[in-house]
Amino acid sequence: DIQMFQSPASLSPFVGDRVTMTCRASQSIDTSVNWFQFKTGKVPKLVVYGASSLQGEVPSRFRGSGYGTDFTLTITNVQPEDIATYYCQQGYRTPFTFGQGTKLEI
Amino acid sequence: QLHLQESGPGQVKPWETLSLTCTVSGGSISSGDYYWDWIRQSPGQGLEWIGNVHHSGDTYYTASFKSRVTMSIDTSRGHFSLKMSSVTAADTAVYYCARHPARDNWFDHWGQGTPVTVSS
Repeated sequence: DIQMFQSPASLSPFVGDRVTMTCRASQSIDTSVNWFQFKTGKVPKLVVYGASSLQGEVPSRFRGSGYGTDFTLTITNVQPEDIATYYCQQGYRTPFTFGQGTKLEI
Repeated sequence: QLHLQESGPGQVKPWETLSLTCTVSGGSISSGDYYWDWIRQSPGQGLEWIGNVHHSGDTYYTASFKSRVTMSIDTSRGHFSLKMSSVTAADTAVYYCARHPARDNWFDHWGQGTPVTVSS
């Protein structure tokens, strides 16, 4: 199975900061990475698919990038509503697998 | 707006069968454009993809669960289901249902999740 490694485990930015979290795959997966936002008591939300495409009405302050094994999710001008845990997921090969998450605490 | 809602018992006894249902509203579960998936999240294992079911009845189960999982779909009632047999404490988790576009490999809509505890 393809393993996904996320870092850091947590981030504590100030409102307005720029944050970057990373996801590394155990083998090359082209651009088959997706990012999800998990908030307590809320429905999980797809934020970025295909490494860099924003889903639906996700604010433009979110940006995904990367190719191969290394991927990043960047949030510029972090807002209080961005408090969540973010997970990457590879869709390159079944079984689809997830990283362990990066918790954003403001 | 598509809405997925999991339902089932919050507690199951060891070695019994866990049964969960996901009711889909605001969209058709009969579309061949989507798979309907189950994912769980536990403190020990993190997020794990269990597998999916298609409106045709085709299923895919990951190797970790294949021997004790059955998924089914009832298009007339707009829901799909998960049965997991011989549960142990390791199956204690929050169980999510999700939609998965057939041409893509991501989950674009999720349910809120339902917690399940395996305990006698």
